[in-house]
Amino acid sequence: GQNIDQPTEMTATEGAIVQINCTYQTSGFNGLFWYQQHAGEAPTFLSYNVLDGLEEKGRFSSFLSRSKGYSYLLLKELQMKDSASYLCAVRLVSGGYNKLIFGAGTRLAVHP
Amino acid sequence: DAGITQSPRHKVTETGTPVTLRCHQTENHRYMYWYRQDPGHGLRLIHYSYGVKDTDKGEVSDGYSVSRSKTEDFLLTLESATSSQTSVYFCAISERGGDQPQHFGDGTRLSIL
Repeated sequence: GQNIDQPTEMTATEGAIVQINCTYQTSGFNGLFWYQQHAGEAPTFLSYNVLDGLEEKGRFSSFLSRSKGYSYLLLKELQMKDSASYLCAVRLVSGGYNKLIFGAGTRLAVHP
Repeated sequence: DAGITQSPRHKVTETGTPVTLRCHQTENHRYMYWYRQDPGHGLRLIHYSYGVKDTDKGEVSDGYSVSRSKTEDFLLTLESATSSQTSVYFCAISERGGDQPQHFGDGTRLSIL
């Protein structure tokens, strides 16, 4: 079966750094996406990793280790608007299409 | 923002009634997907389409059917709604079936009483 684990909830302080972890055990792997989802809204794309290493995009960075089945999303200089759920999704290729398996998401609360 | 419109945005209906949700895109993307999102489960794929009249099942397809007669429209039908199908439904699109991210519509909140 496919299994993706993320912490259910995290809290952090405005201006701080937070790391959200994602571990996966899947049959096949072709990349990992991170999405942000504010309450009551659609998920929006943050980052994509297919090779090992760190991808930096402004205040957000994402890391992947394929050998360990592990990824993390790093959020720096936290702002109140970063309070949201963060979804980790593993890409599996089946018949040439982009099938995503999602974790249950991590709800991040940023406090002043 | 990707041009994706879901309708209706909210619906309340009774057990046993048929329900159809519509996803309309203006991006001319080939791939379209229907997900449901429930607390503790994350997003789960119901059905997807890789072209007009080309559809396939996802991981939670029982009780759902889909149709895609035009590139821009992907319909999700609950033939006889049950309370277990109360959920938030998201449509997503992607240009290719590869490493491009999926872009999501604003969702439909469906309650079945």
